[in-house]
Order: sequence, then C-alpha cells, then structure tokens
Amino acid sequence: GDSVTQMEGPVTLSEEAFLTINCTYTATGYPSLFWYVQYPGEGLQLLLKATKADDKGSNKGFEATYRKETTSFHLEKGSVQVSDSAVYFCALSDRGGGFKTIFGAGTRLFVKA
Amino acid sequence: NAGVTQTPKFQVLKTGQSMTLQCAQDMNHEYMSWYRQDPGMGLRLIHYSVGAGITDQGEVPNGYNVSRSTTEDFPLRLLSAAPSQTSVYFCASSTASGGAETQYFGPGTRLLVL
Repeated sequence: GDSVTQMEGPVTLSEEAFLTINCTYTATGYPSLFWYVQYPGEGLQLLLKATKADDKGSNKGFEATYRKETTSFHLEKGSVQVSDSAVYFCALSDRGGGFKTIFGAGTRLFVKA
Repeated sequence: NAGVTQTPKFQVLKTGQSMTLQCAQDMNHEYMSWYRQDPGMGLRLIHYSVGAGITDQGEVPNGYNVSRSTTEDFPLRLLSAAPSQTSVYFCASSTASGGAETQYFGPGTRLLVL
C-alpha cells in the first residue's frame, strides 16, 4: 500500500541555519504531496503542496519539489527562526487510494536562539 | 468561519466507559475524517466519510464507530474504552474532489484511558 517515510527527529538547529527534512514515498498511482506543520498544542495546518512532477510548493520561506524519479518531496528552508520550531509531517493523497491522506511519522524541529 | 471544532479538549475515562468525541465544520466540506496521533507513528486514519450518510473504515477502525447524519457533524464513538485508545484525536475536513485538497484540522482531543 501507499506509504510515506520521513527522517527521524528531533532535529535541532541554531537560528539562521539551513533546514532539510527528507521525505520519500511509495504510491501505486500518481499522488499529490503535502507538508503539514503542527505547532505545540495545535492541530495540523497545511504548509505547502505539489500536485505533479517537478512542481515546487512554497510558503513562509519553505520549499519542496515533487521528484517523481526519486519519489521524494524534501522540505527545505534557507534560514530557520525560533518560531519554526514545530513538528513537520510529509503526506500524500493518492486518487487510487480513494483520496485518503497518508502521513509520515513526523519530524520534530527545535530551533535555538 | 470557525473552521473545524472539536469537543472536549481533554477527557479522562476509565476502562470500559463509553464516550463520544464531537467534530463539526462550517465550510460545507463533503469529506471528513478522524485520525489518532501517537508518538512516533504520525497520524493514522480511523474512519472517514465522503458525505452525509456515507462512512468507511480507515487504517485503525477497531473499537470506534462513526455516523454522518449531516454535512456539518461527524462524531466518533468509543463504545468501551481501552488503555490502548489513549491518544490525541484529530478531526479533519476537506472538499472531496481531485485528490489534491488541503485538509483542515481541528485542535484535537486528548484522551486518557485509565
């Protein structure tokens, strides 16, 4: 079945450091890919998404490119802030899976001042 | 718009007790779903609905029931709570066409079963 694998955390960075969180997927169809973010004590909210190969999703300085050849959707940010501390979830929604969204395990990010 | 609302925010149950977690959305979304979040396991789909009167099982449906009598509401019922159901529960909604839709999440219900 469909699945999402993302790098284990926690990831600890200093402010202004470069961030990469790796995400790879397995899908029978041609999925849409998402990154969701969960701030402490809150529900998940969409960070960015991409619906087809080579699409780049971007928001709040974060970017991720849909790479069909490597089945990846890595999240990057050039300069993190303390306010980026949160849990980040990679996810996919596959038409062949009835539009159900499959989430990765989540990666916790700590950013130190 | 209130978005997706969930009640209660926190609940403690004893083993064997029953309860209903409430979820409501005011965005006229067809698709609603329930997830549980456990450490190191991400979000796992419990049940989902693609419209009023239509529900289906997700990845971990055992021990949970749902119904969808209106577009707005999607309650989750625990008939006989077990310690393994200690978790954080999230309700989500989205439009239901195309597969690229953003899911909108509620703030969650933290459940402790003793």
